[in-house]
Amino acid sequence: RKEVEQDPGPFNVPEGATVAFNCTYSNSASQSFFWYRQDCRKEPKLLMSVYSSGNEDGRFTAQLNRASQYISLLIRDSKLSDSATYLCVVNHETYGGSQGNLIFGKGTKLSVKP
Amino acid sequence: EPEVTQTPSHQVTQMGQEVILRCVPISNHLYFYWYRQILGQKVEFLVSFYNNEISEKSEIFDDQFSVERPDGSNFTLKIRSTKLEDSAMYFCASTLLEGGNTIYFGEGSWLTVV
Repeated sequence: RKEVEQDPGPFNVPEGATVAFNCTYSNSASQSFFWYRQDCRKEPKLLMSVYSSGNEDGRFTAQLNRASQYISLLIRDSKLSDSATYLCVVNHETYGGSQGNLIFGKGTKLSVKP
Repeated sequence: EPEVTQTPSHQVTQMGQEVILRCVPISNHLYFYWYRQILGQKVEFLVSFYNNEISEKSEIFDDQFSVERPDGSNFTLKIRSTKLEDSAMYFCASTLLEGGNTIYFGEGSWLTVV
């Protein structure tokens, strides 16, 4: 079973649309949750952390459901510049104690068209 | 904004050759990582490094791989005898503290093994 699963997409949407990304993770010991964005052949960049109570940053809203092991990201009023691959990322404290071991989903590609 | 820098940006090497990828983490960071991403695949954890030793490594990080912090600024990944399947983008990352803090990625070193 894959550790972090995402719909591969691609999602092709017009400017101004609302887009939702979903993600499930398999390890119930996961401690921290993130959404990263990755432009083509570039490094992943942190978009936002995801908290149990849900959190919002401008047009972006993230939700976490620990019981269902489910994470979501909503982008409202999408812009051309939102076109990228969105990566669902979790980490969990391993036996060795390192919490930097990020587990990435394969990502969902978003293309916003004029 | 401080950044993680990596060199080279792109390297082509023959199968069986040794390769060293270099990284300069953000200066006050204490935890260092290498990740890789095969074209079209997800980002995968290789190794984490703290206090001059490996703190965790994945199954990918076999005896062909080694890491070193030869001085106060550089963090290197060595692949002893490259294989075709080592062709990937290699990302260095660093963070100040463990546990959910922002991990900063470098722009990556694209390795092509021919």
